Amino acid sequence: NAGVTQTPKFRVLKTGQSMTLLCAQDMNHEYMYWYRQDPGMGLRLIHYSVGEGTTAKGEVPDGYNVSRLKKQNFLLGLESAAPSQTSVYFCASSYTGTGGTIEQFFGPGTRLTVL
Amino acid sequence: GENVEQHPSTLSVQEGDSAVIKCTYSDSASNYFPWYKQELGKGPQLIIDIRSNVGEKKDQRIAVTLNKTAKHFSLHITETQPEDSAVYFCAASILRGRGAQKLVFGQGTRLTINP
Repeated sequence: NAGVTQTPKFRVLKTGQSMTLLCAQDMNHEYMYWYRQDPGMGLRLIHYSVGEGTTAKGEVPDGYNVSRLKKQNFLLGLESAAPSQTSVYFCASSYTGTGGTIEQFFGPGTRLTVL
Repeated sequence: GENVEQHPSTLSVQEGDSAVIKCTYSDSASNYFPWYKQELGKGPQLIIDIRSNVGEKKDQRIAVTLNKTAKHFSLHITETQPEDSAVYFCAASILRGRGAQKLVFGQGTRLTINP
């Protein structure tokens, strides 16, 4: 049981390049999330998904797109990377427990640098 | 929208002493308050949570208190140990039975336990 995994772990992009971050979970969780973590700002929600084929915007969605074609995978895309997107990106998943979703399980993160 | 403020940003305590981290939230509808611990190079991990119908919750050396009137909640760690050194995040969300859990995180507290 690997939990939540993220690919790649590190990436350096030039301004204007595109890339896709992959998140995979093997816990059969319904909900998946993408966050970015910047110094002094905690984690901020980019996009999330409530199930296969569905996505929704979070707190800071601009410049990112997502897709969830399979329940276990959640992809985060940057179409035209900008230096402001330099950050550590975390994926998380959760399930519907008694009274609603409870614990979010986080992946190890992807450190992205945009030059 | 919800805003969560966390203090202090850094905290240094002697091993064996207690540590307290405080958070305030703005949305009175928030009803779920988790605390996450993030070790270096890893994703955050849930350590304790509290719902708005409870004023205090304990789990061994860790406790969380909630004051709904003041919109304030705190993490208390007693008998601190070197392995407690990490970054701690508070968060707030609204649980509505079913649905994605859109957490709003505080800015984080870097806790250092001095031997």
